[in-house]
Formats: sequence, C-alpha cells, structure tokens
Amino acid sequence: AQSVTQLGSHVSVSEGALVLLRCNYSSSVPPYLFWYVQYPNQGLQLLLKYTTGATLVKGINGFEAEFKKSETSFHLTKPSAHMSDAAEYFCAVSAGDGNKLVFGAGTILRVKS
Amino acid sequence: DVKVTQSSRYLVKRTGEKVFLECVQDMDHENMFWYRQDPGLGLRLIYFSYDVKMKEKGDIPEGYSVSREKKERFSLILESASTNQTSMYLCASSSPPGLFGAGELFFGEGSMLTVL
Repeated sequence: AQSVTQLGSHVSVSEGALVLLRCNYSSSVPPYLFWYVQYPNQGLQLLLKYTTGATLVKGINGFEAEFKKSETSFHLTKPSAHMSDAAEYFCAVSAGDGNKLVFGAGTILRVKS
Repeated sequence: DVKVTQSSRYLVKRTGEKVFLECVQDMDHENMFWYRQDPGLGLRLIYFSYDVKMKEKGDIPEGYSVSREKKERFSLILESASTNQTSMYLCASSSPPGLFGAGELFFGEGSMLTVL
C-alpha cells in the first residue's frame, strides 16, 4: 500500500530564507508524486508533479522538488521565501491503480518578516 | 477556466439531520472523489467514483453515502449527521492517468460543515 510521511507539521522560515518541506513516500509501484498547496479558506491547488523522466521538477511560484528513488523522498524547496508562501502544503502519492491519491498529513509553512 | 464547484462553503446542521453536499465539475472527468480534511490528519478519502452510477468506498466511508447519477455531479450524503462529522469536506475530480496526465486531482474550494 502507498503512504506518505511529511516531516514537520509546522515549519517557520524568515522571508528570503530557503524553504525546505520534507516528504517521504512508500509505494509498491513506480510512483506519481505531487505537491499541493492550500491557502486559507481555499481548496488545494497543484504546485508540481513528478511522473517519469527528469527527477528535478519545477512548479509554480518558484517551487521545485527532486525525486530521489534511493531515498524514497520528494522534498519541496524554494530558494527564497515570500510572505505569500504562507500556506499548508501537502505531499501525495498515487495509489496502485493510478487514479487515487494518498496524502500526507500536511505541513503548515509560516513566513516571518 | 476549469472548475470544481461545491454547493455550500459553510453549513451548520443539527445532530441527526440529513446532509447533502453537492459537487459539480465542468472538465468531463471520469473520476470524482470526496475527501475529509481534519487538522493534523491531512486528507482522508471517503468515497470515490470512476464512472456514472459507480461508487467505491475509500478509507473512512462509515456514516456516509454518495450518489453519481450524472458524470459531472457527485453528491456526498450524511444520513444522520453526528458531531464527529464536523469537518472540511473537499471534492475533487481527475482523468485517469495516461490520458491527459498523471491523474492529478482538481479540487473544489471545500465545504466546512459544523454539526451541533
């Protein structure tokens, strides 16, 4: 069965600092991996996804993530945090049939001025 | 612009009431999902549907049912609401992977249900 672990339920960074949100997954099949962001009082929107091919994936708003099969990780990074990045971030892996997604518990990112 | 629309953003219901949460998508997606979101627990799958008239239980189906009479509409039903069903409910849709992508989900804005 597929599962996702997000390390750190809350992460706090200063504006301009590096953002690193950690995600480890477990999957019995080659995974599709996703990062979603949820701003307050909104639904989730896709930040980026990994399917096949290049392991470094670029997404919206300057975020990127690297798929590391040997470490079963898909960590999300952004070189310089902005106040508008404050939100909750969810890592997800496709389930065995490829249709369903299994989500992590989420990481709330706080950006300090 | 593609869209998943949930009928109510905020609902307040009494214990024992029957509750309907409606979701409509305009992307002609085969797959539709209902998730429940609770702090610290992430998103948990309640029910999903891969086709009209079809439904499958997710991880936490107890106390819920669904209906999919048309491709674009997927309804979540709480037959007798209880206080432990107070939560944010998120509807999502997708195409099967391999056709137009990796099966990423498109979400509605959510329905915050409070059961008193």
